[in-house]
Amino acid sequence: QSALTQPASVSGSPGQSITISCTGTSSDVGGYGYVSWYQQHPGKAPKLMIFDVSKRPSGVSNRFSGSKSGTTASLTISGLQAEDEADYYCCSYGGSGTYVEFGGGTKLTV
Amino acid sequence: QVQLQESGPGLVKPSETLSLTCTVSGGSIRSYYWSWIRQPPGKGLEWIGYVYYSGSTIYNPSLQSRVTISVHTSKTQFSLRLSSVTAADTAVYYCAGHFDAFDVWGQGTMVTVSS
Repeated sequence: QSALTQPASVSGSPGQSITISCTGTSSDVGGYGYVSWYQQHPGKAPKLMIFDVSKRPSGVSNRFSGSKSGTTASLTISGLQAEDEADYYCCSYGGSGTYVEFGGGTKLTV
Repeated sequence: QVQLQESGPGLVKPSETLSLTCTVSGGSIRSYYWSWIRQPPGKGLEWIGYVYYSGSTIYNPSLQSRVTISVHTSKTQFSLRLSSVTAADTAVYYCAGHFDAFDVWGQGTMVTVSS
C-alpha cells in the first residue's frame, strides 16, 4: 500500500478540466515543499510535469498546474487532450537525508 | 543534457542477488542525487533508494535490509544490488537523477526473477 493516496482512475472529455488528488500526512505532503507529479505513458519512463508543488519544468504545457492544501496536493489538467491519457503519480520528498514516497498512481482516461 | 542508461541481467534466479548499473552521460556524477526506482508489471512506482556522489545513501525502509546502492565517480556510474530476490522483485528498474524532483530518467530495464 502506497504512503500517498491517489484515486485509481479519473476521466474527462476533450477540452474539459480534471483534478487528481494526492493525500498524505503532515510527515510528508503536509510537511514538505518538494511535491512533484509525473506522467507515464505505457511502456515509457515517467516524465516530470510539476515540481516544488506548483512549478512547471521547461517544455511542459501550461495546461498542467499543481497546488497543495494541508496534507493534500493536487494536479489539474485543463483543456484535456487525447495525448494526456496516461498514468499520473505524485511524489513527496523532504530533501537531502529524507525518504521519497510515491502515490499509487491514477489512470487518466480522455 | 544528462542522460542515463541502465544495464544488467534481465533474468535472476530466486535467492540470488540482482545487480544493475546506471551510466551517466552528458553531465557530472556530482550534479544530482541518484536514485533507483522500480515498477512491477501493471503496478505503481516504488522508490528503492538514492546515493550522492560522496557515497552517502538513503534507502526505502521496506527494502533496506537487502539493498546496496553505490557510486563509482571515476566511471560516472552508480549501481544497485538487491539480495535474496523473489518473484516479488520482478519489475522494470529505473535509474533517475534528482534534487527536489526526478527530472532525468533512464529508459528502464526489465528484470525477471525466475528459476
